[in-house]
Amino acid sequence: GAGVSQTPSNKVTEKGKYVELRCDPISGHTALYWYRQSLGQGPEFLIYFQGTGAADDSGLPNDRFFAVRPEGSVSTLKIQRTERGDSAVYLCASSLGTSGAEQYFGPGTRLTVT
Amino acid sequence: AQSVTQPDIHITVSEGASLELRCNYSYGATPYLFWYVQSPGQGLQLLLKYFSGDTLVQGIKGFEAEFKRSQSSFNLRKPSVHWSDAAEYFCAVASGSGNTGKLIFGQGTTLQVKP
Repeated sequence: GAGVSQTPSNKVTEKGKYVELRCDPISGHTALYWYRQSLGQGPEFLIYFQGTGAADDSGLPNDRFFAVRPEGSVSTLKIQRTERGDSAVYLCASSLGTSGAEQYFGPGTRLTVT
Repeated sequence: AQSVTQPDIHITVSEGASLELRCNYSYGATPYLFWYVQSPGQGLQLLLKYFSGDTLVQGIKGFEAEFKRSQSSFNLRKPSVHWSDAAEYFCAVASGSGNTGKLIFGQGTTLQVKP
């Protein structure tokens, strides 16, 4: 079956611009996670959705970052006024449940801010 | 705060040799522990997980890991490495109040396999 998909696979943008990154989770998965992976580092948690609501957004670095999941399926991570430090691979994962449930990761979106 | 440490950034082993990747965690309660593998151009794939019970857990691709509470460790092992095992390996602990399941990852260990 289809796994987690993310679009675009690569995004190059200029400093100060707005970007949207999309995640299509596995059908039926209620939990959705966003992580950010900088070069040479492990993924870092950003935000978690259970259904339509953001249950934990403690990992969002500042108010330039925002994510939505309006219908409880597809999610969009939005970054305003991008900075060069935002350059990273943004990973999305989904799972059937929460604690302990296997998270299935997408291939990621590589964001480069010039 | 919860944290995961992978002391070895890079490891090189010969094909057919045994492998052990180290992972230490800091967590107040009984942790949920995971090992993921990331190959170039591929998404993270779960190798195995530990929640409770038997401290030696078996995973996919011939990997196993042992949970040692006294040492706060969850080391990954494989008796005989194949060239296709070359990848980045991440240890993670599930964290967050209310069991949100968010994962805290270590910085990863890059495994290189010599022919």
